[in-house]
Amino acid sequence: AQKITQTQPGMFVQEKEAVTLDCTYDTSDQSYGLFWYKQPSSGEMIFLIYQGSYDEQNATEGRYSLNFQKARKSANLVISASQLGDSAMYFCAFLGTGGNKLVFGAGTILRVKS
Amino acid sequence: KAGVTQTPRYLIKTRGQQVTLSCSPISGHRSVSWYQQTPGQGLQFLFEYFSETQRNKGNFPGRFSGRQFSNSRSEMNVSTLELGDSALYLCASSLWDKGAEQFFGPGTRLTVL
Repeated sequence: AQKITQTQPGMFVQEKEAVTLDCTYDTSDQSYGLFWYKQPSSGEMIFLIYQGSYDEQNATEGRYSLNFQKARKSANLVISASQLGDSAMYFCAFLGTGGNKLVFGAGTILRVKS
Repeated sequence: KAGVTQTPRYLIKTRGQQVTLSCSPISGHRSVSWYQQTPGQGLQFLFEYFSETQRNKGNFPGRFSGRQFSNSRSEMNVSTLELGDSALYLCASSLWDKGAEQFFGPGTRLTVL
């Protein structure tokens, strides 16, 4: 079974600085996808970025980029120029070959300080 | 284009009762997945439906069941509620049968007293 590990329960970052949220995964699947979601206090899960296992380039979406190191099985999220509105819980999620079943990490709470 | 909607948003039930939660996916999406989120267990997959068929099921007791209708709307049912069933229940829809981005609804927060 796949396992997703987010080792940082909480992180602080100064406004306008960059921050990296860690995610490692364990799988024997050859084809898979990795997602990052943001969950504000309202509870809704907001899609941020996706990386496919065969994608040769790291994914980027605006201020979000994914540092994908396949050999190390890591998919770290980088948020550049942090904003106060970035304060939320962030989840890394794995999608393997078994249909639309996401396996989530435990999450990292990010707090942006002004 | 409307997003994923879930009703009701909040529910309070007592132990032993049963509850039905509803999820309407994004128009055209045929896959609906359900997740339970609790502080202790985090986000856990419940089940997934595609074209009215359950394709995947997580490790939950038989008290948890679901179904999907021909219009892709889905319901999940929890019978004989326990205190530990208190959670945020999230529904997600996606376009394809596998490997597609999942769009989440706002969730239903269930409290069991």
